[in-house]
Amino acid sequence: DAGVTQSPTHLIKTRGQQVTLRCSPKSGHDTVSWYQQALGQGPQFIFQYYEEEERQRGNFPDRFSGHQFPNYSSELNVNALLLGDSALYLCASSAGQGRTNEKLFFGSGTQLSVL
Amino acid sequence: GEDVEQSLFLSVREGDSSVINCTYTDSSSTYLYWYKQEPGAGLQLLTYIFSNMDMKQDQRLTVLLNKKDKHLSLRIADTQTGDSAIYFCAESPANTDKLIFGTGTRLQVFP
Repeated sequence: DAGVTQSPTHLIKTRGQQVTLRCSPKSGHDTVSWYQQALGQGPQFIFQYYEEEERQRGNFPDRFSGHQFPNYSSELNVNALLLGDSALYLCASSAGQGRTNEKLFFGSGTQLSVL
Repeated sequence: GEDVEQSLFLSVREGDSSVINCTYTDSSSTYLYWYKQEPGAGLQLLTYIFSNMDMKQDQRLTVLLNKKDKHLSLRIADTQTGDSAIYFCAESPANTDKLIFGTGTRLQVFP
């Protein structure tokens, strides 16, 4: 049973570019959350997708957007990249929305470097 | 506000107990969590505690919760070199599915 898979594992972009990160949830999971982990910091919640809609959002600008597909996989898009967007982006999946954090599974992340 | 604080670093000898501490601010949090992150890896859920509990034990792990002081601790008994990692405390405020993480405590275990 594959866990949460993310692609690519590493990515290098330049300022002003756009990037798309991908996530496939664990089998049986229908909810996907995205987190940003800057170097030396804890992960910060970006947003959560359930039933193909953004359900909750953290304190991130509109440059950060996402999408969830009918097969529950998800994409995170970041436009107009800034140097400060360099971080490890983590995807987490769970089954059903609401009070499911005890069943939250994280992927290994995508390391984004913005030059 | 939302803020979770942890000490940055802990060094212990193999076989000793490790205690990692955390303070949080949101008294509405129903669950509190401990995650482990090894280099190049994602987050692994170690254990969690419901806010109406004072203690939870799971094999070598013991979680203590002082809700009055908003203080959470993780004790690892018989610490092994494989326990070397970054440990994150996290809270889950009421009416939300998001987790608020601390900055992490780097545990180093030496022989």
